[in-house]
Amino acid sequence: DVVMTQSPLSLPVTLGQPASISCRSSQSLVHSGGNTYMNWFQQRPGQSPRRLIYQVSHRDSGVPDRFSGSGSGSSFTLKISRVEAEDVGVYYCMQGTHWPFTFGPGTKVDIK
Amino acid sequence: EVQLVESGGGSVQPGGSLRLSCAASGYMFSSHWMGWVRQAPGKGLEWVANMDQDGIEKYYVDSVKGRFTISRDNAKNSLYVQMNSLRAEDTAVYYCVRMDWASVDCWGQGTLVTVSS
Repeated sequence: DVVMTQSPLSLPVTLGQPASISCRSSQSLVHSGGNTYMNWFQQRPGQSPRRLIYQVSHRDSGVPDRFSGSGSGSSFTLKISRVEAEDVGVYYCMQGTHWPFTFGPGTKVDIK
Repeated sequence: EVQLVESGGGSVQPGGSLRLSCAASGYMFSSHWMGWVRQAPGKGLEWVANMDQDGIEKYYVDSVKGRFTISRDNAKNSLYVQMNSLRAEDTAVYYCVRMDWASVDCWGQGTLVTVSS
């Protein structure tokens, strides 16, 4: 199975400041068809997860543009340009290129 | 508005069975792959199973193969998972998910399954 590794696992941030989460996969996530199925999800306390980013850098409808995804191959990053209070929660990367799809362990973002 | 509503969770003894259901609304159910993702208490997310629009292609994570069966009824806009030979490690919130582009674009609210003697 593809192992997804995230860093850091805990990220205290100051409101209004940027934040960055790294995700690495044990195999390349480039699919034979050419797409890279790398996703980012946000899970706020007590809620179901919500997708923020799909195929590395495509933001879902309704997701603020302060969230951005980048990367290629087996190294990816989620960036928040200016953290707001509503961004508190756990962020998961997930690969959909190889079955079984696998998630990273999660990065807990909270406010300093 | 897309909605996925799970039901059927509860407490069961090890070795027991449960059937989870997911009622979908607000979109053309038969056009999407569907799946189940679970989250053990205080833990991360784990894919369980998924299936294609027609119920022909089905995939399971190794830990549930031979014990869980995913199915769907497009006429009823419903997704199911039959869970047999349940173990303590199957204890989790089970989310029904709609898939697109090898990803999840919609999640249900989840239903808790507790396996304990």
